[in-house]
Amino acid sequence: GAGVSQSPSNKVTEKGKDVELRCDPISGHTALYWYRQSLGQGLEFLIYFQGNSAPDKSGLPSDRFSAERTGGSVSTLTIQRTQQEDSAVYLCASSLVSGKHNYGYTFGSGTRLTVV
Amino acid sequence: SQQGEEDPQALSIQEGENATMNCSYKTSINNLQWYRQNSGRGLVHLILIRSNEREKHSGRLRVTLDTSKKSSSLLITASRAADTASYFCATVPGSGNTPLVFGKGTRLSVIA
Repeated sequence: GAGVSQSPSNKVTEKGKDVELRCDPISGHTALYWYRQSLGQGLEFLIYFQGNSAPDKSGLPSDRFSAERTGGSVSTLTIQRTQQEDSAVYLCASSLVSGKHNYGYTFGSGTRLTVV
Repeated sequence: SQQGEEDPQALSIQEGENATMNCSYKTSINNLQWYRQNSGRGLVHLILIRSNEREKHSGRLRVTLDTSKKSSSLLITASRAADTASYFCATVPGSGNTPLVFGKGTRLSVIA
């Protein structure tokens, strides 16, 4: 597609429920990233996919968070048993990467998750 | 962990003035990038400067990089109300094999 598409744009969920956030990257971009941003803060790295390599999960805050990328394209970030501290904007980005991260990232508009 | 730290945290200027935002980082970098964010949503890539470059221009934007001081600056000339946004610096640490690490951003307000 023309840009990175994320859905839903807003999600309100009850504490303890599971949520799935979707990201559709730019066609041809081999790298896909998930970040989250709490109110008024910078971006916190969560996970990174590059081609068929094993993902870099070093930023996932707990084992309640997981992500997959099917067919090297669409990615889903799943948060199980949501907690109020999970409330944030979840941002997905994609980029061209050939070993080095020396390209700019294209971000989606994000999913605003509110856990009540 | 935060790699880049922007300064100031907030900046308010009159339309037509220049805006300068600074970024300091802690470790060696492969490249440094600046992004703009409107309304707390998606970020837009503005400019990338590699570790062997000292200055880059793009329209009204000028970015400098001083690797000896581990710092960068973003200058927006002749600012417009539409430049009101948060600006983030982000670094690719080390050899370039790890994703971008973002700072907390500078909130720029341009008053018409």
